[in-house]
This record gives sequence, C-alpha cells and structure tokens, in this order.
Amino acid sequence: AQSVTQLGSHVSVSEGALVLLRCNYSSSVPPYLFWYVQYPNQGLQLLLKYTSAATLVKGINGFEAEFKKSETSFHLTKPSAHMSDAAEYFCAVSDLRLGNEKLTFGTGTRLTIIP
Amino acid sequence: DTEVTQTPKHLVMGMTNKKSLKCEQHMGHRAMYWYKQKAKKPPELMFVYSYEKLSINESVPSRFSPECPNSSLLNLHLHALQPEDSALYLCASSSGTLIPPEQYFGPGTRLTVT
Repeated sequence: AQSVTQLGSHVSVSEGALVLLRCNYSSSVPPYLFWYVQYPNQGLQLLLKYTSAATLVKGINGFEAEFKKSETSFHLTKPSAHMSDAAEYFCAVSDLRLGNEKLTFGTGTRLTIIP
Repeated sequence: DTEVTQTPKHLVMGMTNKKSLKCEQHMGHRAMYWYKQKAKKPPELMFVYSYEKLSINESVPSRFSPECPNSSLLNLHLHALQPEDSALYLCASSSGTLIPPEQYFGPGTRLTVT
C-alpha cells in the first residue's frame, strides 16, 4: 500500500525565512503526490501536485516541491515565509484502483510563522 | 465555479437524533467523497461515489448512511451517533477522469454529538 510520512508535526519559521516541510513516500509504483493546505476551520486547498512531467513542481502562493526518486521525497518549500502561510499542511498520495481515487494523507505539519 | 459547498456549517445533535449533511458541486465532477477529520488529525476517507454509485466504503459503521441523489449532490445521513463521532466532516469532488486526480474540498461541517 502507498503511504506518506511527514517529518515534524510542528515547524516554526521567522517571517521572511525559508519554509521547508518534509514528506517521504512509500510506493511500489510511480506515485501521484500532492500537498494540501488547511487554514483554521476550513477545508483543504490543493497547493500543488506531482504528475511525473517535471520533478520541480510550482504551486500556488509561492510554494514549490521537488520530487526526488532516489530519496523517495517530495518536500515542500517557499523561499520567504509570510504570516498568512500559518496553517496545517498535508502531504498526500493517490491510489488509483479500478478507476477509484483514494487519497491517503500524512499526519500533517503545523506551520507557525514568527513575526 | 470551482466550489464545493456544504451545509450546515455546524451541527449539534443528540445520540437519538437523525440528521443529514449535504454537499453540492456544480463542476460536472463524477466522483464525490466523504471524509472524517478529528482534531489535529488528517482526513480519513469514509465513502467514494463514482458516477452516482457507491464504489468505496471504508468499513464505516452503518449509523452513517451516504446517498448520492444525482451527480451534483451528496448526502450523509446520520442516526444514533456516538460522542466519538464528533468531528469535521469534509466533502470533496473530482472529475473522475483527470490523471492525476485532483480533489476539491468543501469547508466542512463541524459535528458535535452530545
């Protein structure tokens, strides 16, 4: 079964500093990988997705992620943190079985931005 | 319109009540999902509907009963719930044909069982 592991349940960075959120995957086949963000009391919003077309994926709000097969990683980065980036971030892997899409989420990383 | 709407936003119900959660999308998506999310946890898949037919049931207790009246609507009927069922219930939809799939989530219904 496919799975993702997020290292670090809480990450704090200063405003303007680099954001790095870690995600490692386990999959026997090339995976479909996603990063979602959840602001307090809201649903999930797709930040970006890996489609195998390019290893460096750019998403919304200045975020990007790099797929590294050798390291089985798909870490999320942003060069300069904003206060508005404070949220919960989930890495997810998609399992396509018989045409059904099943998203399996990592345990999440809460990002805090220090003024 | 890339919006998934959910009603109500908040729901408080007793263990003997019957209530329903509603989800709606007008993106022409053919797959719809119910997730349950406990505090400080990731969403957990409950049900998947594909082309209005139930395709995945993740061994959810029968006190949760999903219904897909048409391709735009998804309901979750609740009966005889337990306090541990209190959670945020998220609905999502996807095209059902796009590879890789993209799921669009609604804002959720915050359910409290007393």
